[in-house]
Amino acid sequence: SQELEQSPQSLIVQEGKNLTINCTSSKTLYGLYWYKQKYGEGLIFLMMLQKGGEEKSHEKITAKLDEKKQQSSLHITASQPSHAGIYLCGADTGTASKLTFGTGTRLQVTL
Amino acid sequence: DAGVIQSPRHEVTEMGQEVTLRCKPISGHNSLFWYRQTMMRGLELLIYFNNNVPIDDSGMPEDRFSAKMPNASFSTLKIQPSEPRDSAVYFCASSFLGDTQYFGPGTRLTVL
Repeated sequence: SQELEQSPQSLIVQEGKNLTINCTSSKTLYGLYWYKQKYGEGLIFLMMLQKGGEEKSHEKITAKLDEKKQQSSLHITASQPSHAGIYLCGADTGTASKLTFGTGTRLQVTL
Repeated sequence: DAGVIQSPRHEVTEMGQEVTLRCKPISGHNSLFWYRQTMMRGLELLIYFNNNVPIDDSGMPEDRFSAKMPNASFSTLKIQPSEPRDSAVYFCASSFLGDTQYFGPGTRLTVL
């Protein structure tokens, strides 16, 4: 079964609206990484969470890791066209330096 | 400071040909990772190195794939012979002591 699940798979929101992307693991997370990818480009690191209950923010993006350390959410406030892309979560489940990635959430922001 | 550098950015080749992808990690990073991304399977780890030594190659699809890291600033991923199902975007990433992985721009490989 899939170790890491992301939802939704795709999302279309109107500019200015808020949105949330979820990442759920079947294993305890030692670290959870959020990346953003634009078509034809590499992954850009956004944030990393390690502690249960941790929350980090950068500009209009906030990421949280639940207390049980098995689920993370990425919240974008007042979305803009520049937020469009694919958001991927990467999980460190304690296997050395390896990360397992979710299938990604494709975000489109309409005007 | 330069990020992870990959070359070529695009490669188109014919089935049966040898393909070599190259990566220069961020200076000072001691871990290097090769990933493959496809629509069907998403982002998959192929192999990773710590201090130039291959640690886990369980993701390498088959013997046609090989990777080397002759020194701390250079790695190659070779496919010989290439097949159409190898078409994908191949990413290299590097990190320091298991910290955040930083990705290169990727190589888009098309095997005809």
